[in-house]
Amino acid sequence: DTAVSQTPKYLVTQMGNDKSIKCEQNLGHDTMYWYKQDSKKFLKIMFSYNNKELIINETVPNRFSPKSPDKAHLNLHINSLELGDSAVYFCASSHGGRINSPLHFGNGTRLTVT
Amino acid sequence: AQSVAQPEDQVNVAEGNPLTVKCTYSVSGNPYLFWYVQYPNRGLQFLLKYITGDNLVKGSYGFEAEFNKSQTSFHLKKPSALVSDSALYFCAVRDMRNGGYNKLIFGAGTRLAVHP
Repeated sequence: DTAVSQTPKYLVTQMGNDKSIKCEQNLGHDTMYWYKQDSKKFLKIMFSYNNKELIINETVPNRFSPKSPDKAHLNLHINSLELGDSAVYFCASSHGGRINSPLHFGNGTRLTVT
Repeated sequence: AQSVAQPEDQVNVAEGNPLTVKCTYSVSGNPYLFWYVQYPNRGLQFLLKYITGDNLVKGSYGFEAEFNKSQTSFHLKKPSALVSDSALYFCAVRDMRNGGYNKLIFGAGTRLAVHP
């Protein structure tokens, strides 16, 4: 009965590689997000999709490319990984147009770039 | 600018004592405020929200929060702390500038340590 699931949970890779993180939600939400949590636990939004359409794109390097094949899935592809990309990446979902709809988060993907 | 401040990096409290985790906000327009909790190696879990109505909001696990418009605060409280409440707590405000779609701006987090 997992609500928001991300894979993989851990990802260790070398600089310069390309990697993807997958996210799926079964809550029937129409909006999905990627947040980045740095080593100091600070959370910052990266992207948001509503019904497969990109609606929020913060100042994120072009190496990060989200893809939403349908409203239940939002994947994150990262090209040419850098040391500074090491962080925990959280996927979340909500009813986008409802101001009282809280975000539901996955358990995160810990990315370590060596 | 929309922002949230959590002035305390860590709050220490003895089990059984009341706890308060502080949050102040700055928004243009009506504030829509949330509290989340993060346990180690887990995602954030929703605790409670203030949208409108009563200033005292009750949430999960016995937590409550008091909205104070004049002080622009939304402090999280619990009458009697449990050791299992030890976690990282985030206050968040909804940023309504992007056409009303959800975007939460989070505070830096406050680590709550409840000692037996």
